[in-house]
Order: sequence, then structure tokens, then C-alpha cells
Amino acid sequence: GQQVMQIPQYQHVQEGEDFTTYCNSSTTLSNIQWYKQRPGGHPVFLIQLVKSGEVKKQKRLTFQFGEAKKNSSLHITATQTTDVGTYFCASGGGADGLTFGKGTHLIIQP
Amino acid sequence: DADVTQTPRNRITKTGKRIMLECSQTKGHDRMYWYRQDPGLGLQLIYYSFDVKDINKGEISDGYSVSRQAQAKFSLSLESAIPNQTALYFCATSATDATYNEQFFGPGTRLTVL
Repeated sequence: GQQVMQIPQYQHVQEGEDFTTYCNSSTTLSNIQWYKQRPGGHPVFLIQLVKSGEVKKQKRLTFQFGEAKKNSSLHITATQTTDVGTYFCASGGGADGLTFGKGTHLIIQP
Repeated sequence: DADVTQTPRNRITKTGKRIMLECSQTKGHDRMYWYRQDPGLGLQLIYYSFDVKDINKGEISDGYSVSRQAQAKFSLSLESAIPNQTALYFCATSATDATYNEQFFGPGTRLTVL
């Protein structure tokens, strides 16, 4: 797998504020996947990005893949309590399997 | 997803005991994976299998072994459990020819080694 570093580890926001988590690598990534894990739950696939500079949106979520394919971000606009959980980036998935970042825990205060 | 099931869901055992965690899937996927999750460390790949006769070590395979009994079944064994193997274990599957190569996770097995 391809190593990925994810920041921040924790993020506290007020409900309605925006949230961003970042995923970085020292090497060029073949792809980047994002997963969400609700408290007490299992990771659930959100999206995959493969192209340089790619941007995809899912309602209030915006995913970006950097031009050099070494970084990615997930941005949530106007957070809601349902957004609570841990967001993981991951890369690879080919012959070496996926390598996950350590995740960003999103805590929302009403 | 209910398509990926894990048994048991919770297990408490003692140091030195042999433990088997089982994973079954009805998704028809060729690829299956075992991950370990510890607080603050994310998900670490233990073993993975791309078909029945294929077994590969992940980043933390020491102290673990696996068996791919059939396309739908992939079990993880701890030959002699130790306390630092206390963790949440996830099984996952993916399709070889999927557009997005996404992985589908089971509900997890919480293992405590005393």
C-alpha cells in the first residue's frame, strides 16, 4: 500500500460550521478513497478519486485530489449532527491492498 | 452491510488461548481482507486474499494466520493470543472488477485478551 498521513486527528466544531480533513503522502498516489465510520459502526465507502485535480461533490461533502496526486481533502459544509464520526482516507487497493490514514474524528457540538 | 457477517461479535479470552474469528459474505466478491483497528491508529491490514488459493500478508501479520475456506469465507486465527492483540477486528470484501474498487466492511469483532 501507499502511505498516507491524515490531519487533524480530532476536530471539534459547532453545528453549522464547516469541517475539513486532509490526507497527504510523500509519494504519488494511484488513487484516494474516503470512508466514514460512525461511532460504534464500521467504515463505509464514500468515494474514490483517481484523476489529478479531480473534484467530486456529494451534497454538502466536497472531495478533492491534488494536482500532483500527493494530497486530498474532504470538506463538509454546514455540519450537522449526522456528520459525527471518523473520516478515513485510504490509498492503493491493487496488489498490495489498501493503506488507511489514521482518521479524523469529527465531534459536533450542538 | 448485512452482506458481510462476522462471528463472534464480541469475545473475551485469556492469554495463550487459540482464537478463530470468522467472516462470511454473500456479495460474491473474490477479494477478502482482515483489518485491525486500535484507537488512534486507524485500520491496519493483517492479511488479504484475492481468491481461494491466494493469501497475502499485510502490514501486521505477525501472530496471526488466515484460511480462505471458500470464496465466501475467510477466517482469522490467533494461535496464542496475547493482551496487545486486544482490538476491534474488521473483515472486508471487494470485487475484482469493480469500477470504484470500494471495500465493504463487516460489523466487526471486538476481541479482549486478558
